[in-house]
Amino acid sequence: GENVEQHPSTLSVQEGDSAVIKCTYSDSASNYFPWYKQELGKRPQLIIDIRSNVGEKKDQRIAVTLNKTAKHFSLHITETQPEDSAVYFCAASNPSQELSFGAGTTVTVRA
Amino acid sequence: DGGITQSPKYLFRKEGQNVTLSCEQNLNHDAMYWYRQDPGQGLRLIYYSQIVNDFQKGDIAEGYSVSREKKESFPLTVTSAQKNPTAFYLCASSSPPGQETEAFFGQGTRLTVV
Repeated sequence: GENVEQHPSTLSVQEGDSAVIKCTYSDSASNYFPWYKQELGKRPQLIIDIRSNVGEKKDQRIAVTLNKTAKHFSLHITETQPEDSAVYFCAASNPSQELSFGAGTTVTVRA
Repeated sequence: DGGITQSPKYLFRKEGQNVTLSCEQNLNHDAMYWYRQDPGQGLRLIYYSQIVNDFQKGDIAEGYSVSREKKESFPLTVTSAQKNPTAFYLCASSSPPGQETEAFFGQGTRLTVV
């Protein structure tokens, strides 16, 4: 099955700075890459996603990049704010809809 | 109100007993998933189902069983064979590829073995 690795496991940034989380995947057939944010005590919620026919996607302060050749994808958060503090998960889905997640990154934004 | 519902929110089980976690969705999604969440280990896939009457093992299926008799329902049974069942369990559902594929999660069930 798919194996998704995510780094770093924890990330502390100063408010206003950028945060970058990187993921790799193993199944070259994977074609859908969502990112989820999970706040303490809540369910994960989708924040942005990208498909394999696109190299980059941006939504306000959040952007995701995908390198299919290297099987890497990354989440970029600019101008971080305290409400960005949460656990972030990357995921990869193959055509069989097997949706596998990374181990998560705990992001702390320091005021 | 459309969504995905897990019940119960908290569940206690004695060692050696089987227990079933409920997951129901009214989003008309074909695919459903069960994940286990432990601190520092992210979301690990237990089972998933693309369509009714079909399901596939995920990475940590041992000690668990599922059924998919109805499109709306995907119950998970934690059997006595599961060595360390205490965890937070999340159910999710999504549409088929080619449509909006966002996976929606239930609120989770926290299972404690006593």
